Amino acid sequence: DADVTQTPRNRITKTGKRIMLECSQTKGHDRMYWYRQDPGLGLRLIYYSFDVKDINKGEISDGYSVSRQAQAKFSLSLESAIPNQTALYFCATSDNRGSYNEQFFGPGTRLTVL
Amino acid sequence: QQQVKQSPQSLIVQKGGISIINCAYENTAFDYFPWYQQFPGKGPALLIAIRPDVSEKKEGRFTISFNKSAKQFSLHIMDSQPGDSATYFCAATDSNYQLIWGAGTKLIIKP
Repeated sequence: DADVTQTPRNRITKTGKRIMLECSQTKGHDRMYWYRQDPGLGLRLIYYSFDVKDINKGEISDGYSVSRQAQAKFSLSLESAIPNQTALYFCATSDNRGSYNEQFFGPGTRLTVL
Repeated sequence: QQQVKQSPQSLIVQKGGISIINCAYENTAFDYFPWYQQFPGKGPALLIAIRPDVSEKKEGRFTISFNKSAKQFSLHIMDSQPGDSATYFCAATDSNYQLIWGAGTKLIIKP
C-alpha cells in the first residue's frame, strides 16, 4: 500500500550493529504497529502505538525499541542486531474507530543479520 | 504460544477447484475474525472479515464459515484462479484490539 512506506526495503548488516527501520504513513491514522514475519510463524507484534504519546510492547519486544516521532512516523530500532533477528519486518497502521480496525501494511523490510 | 492455529501450512489446488483453509482458536473473548491475503513482496491486505454473531459471510468467490461452538472458522475460495495464489492469514482480535495471527497458508493454484 503506497500510503504506508518503509525504508529501507532491504538491509544486510553484521552482528552488533545498530539498525533503524523507518515507517511513514499518509493515511492519517493514529495507530501504528511493527511486526516481524518468519516462515511458519505468521506475524508477531513487536510494538504498537495508539498515538504519539502512547507506546506499548507487543509479544516479542526484547531486543527492539521504537520511537513515534509524529503521528505519521514510527521507527523501529535494533540496538545491537543478532542473527535471529533476521526476518521480514512490516509496519502497519489503523484508525481508532473501535475494535474492528482494518490494518494497512507497508511493503516490508527484509533484514539480514550476518 | 499460538492462540490461533491455522492449517494447512501449504495447499495446492487445481484451477476451478475449491480452496479451504481452516483456523481454530481458544480465547472466547475474540470478537472479530479477519482474513488477510499476502502476495510475494507485499504486505498483507484485508480480504474478508466476520464477527461471531453470524455463521457465514460471502464476498464474491470468498466465503468465511464460522462455528462459534467449535471455535473454528474457515476460508473457502470458490472457482480458484491462478491469481489467488498467495499466502493467507487468519487472525482474531483480542480485548486490547490487537490482532492475533495464524501462521499462514501458502496457496498455489495450478493452471
